[in-house]
Amino acid sequence: KAGVTQTPRYLIKTRGQQVTLSCSPISGHRSVSWYQQTPGQGLQFLFEYFSETQRNKGNFPGRFSGRQFSNSRSEMNVSTLELGDSALYLCASCLGTGGEQYFGPGTRLTVT
Amino acid sequence: GEDVEQSLFLSVREGDSSVINCTYTDSSSTYLYWYKQEPGAGLQLLTYIFSNMDMKQDQRLTVLLNKKDKHLSLRIADTQTGDSAIYFCAEARGRGSTLGRLYFGRGTQLTVWP
Repeated sequence: KAGVTQTPRYLIKTRGQQVTLSCSPISGHRSVSWYQQTPGQGLQFLFEYFSETQRNKGNFPGRFSGRQFSNSRSEMNVSTLELGDSALYLCASCLGTGGEQYFGPGTRLTVT
Repeated sequence: GEDVEQSLFLSVREGDSSVINCTYTDSSSTYLYWYKQEPGAGLQLLTYIFSNMDMKQDQRLTVLLNKKDKHLSLRIADTQTGDSAIYFCAEARGRGSTLGRLYFGRGTQLTVWP
């Protein structure tokens, strides 16, 4: 069974641009969560989607948004990029509520 | 406090046991997790424990849960150099729909010396 996949793996963007990251969950998993990992702040929760609806949301500005499609694939978008958005963005999937959560390899975003 | 706490560093000799400790925040947390992260990689789920359990063993890994003290530990038997990585403790708080959000500690860097 394939694991969680994320594309692209690496991305370099300029301040003020926007970016879209993609996550494909494990087959059959309906929940997708997104996390930002930085050396300074550690792992911070962005949001979680379940059956195309945002179920939980972290404390990030409105520049960070996401969505989930009917096949459970999810995208997150960051608009008006800032230098501080440079981070590893991780997505995780699970079947539904609680239990095993599996992470993808992450997308390394660098904002210059 | 509100943060999941872990010590930052642990060094052990190859062949010894490693014990990584974590203090979590919510006595009603339903699931508690251990993840491993190697350089440049995502998080690998090592194991998790449901809150109605005290212990879980999986090959070289033993998880102990003390709900009274909100303390979670991960013991790695016969530690190998390949176990060198950052280990994260995480909790899923509450019930139902809130379980999708995990709260992570800052991670423990495990270094295994040959």
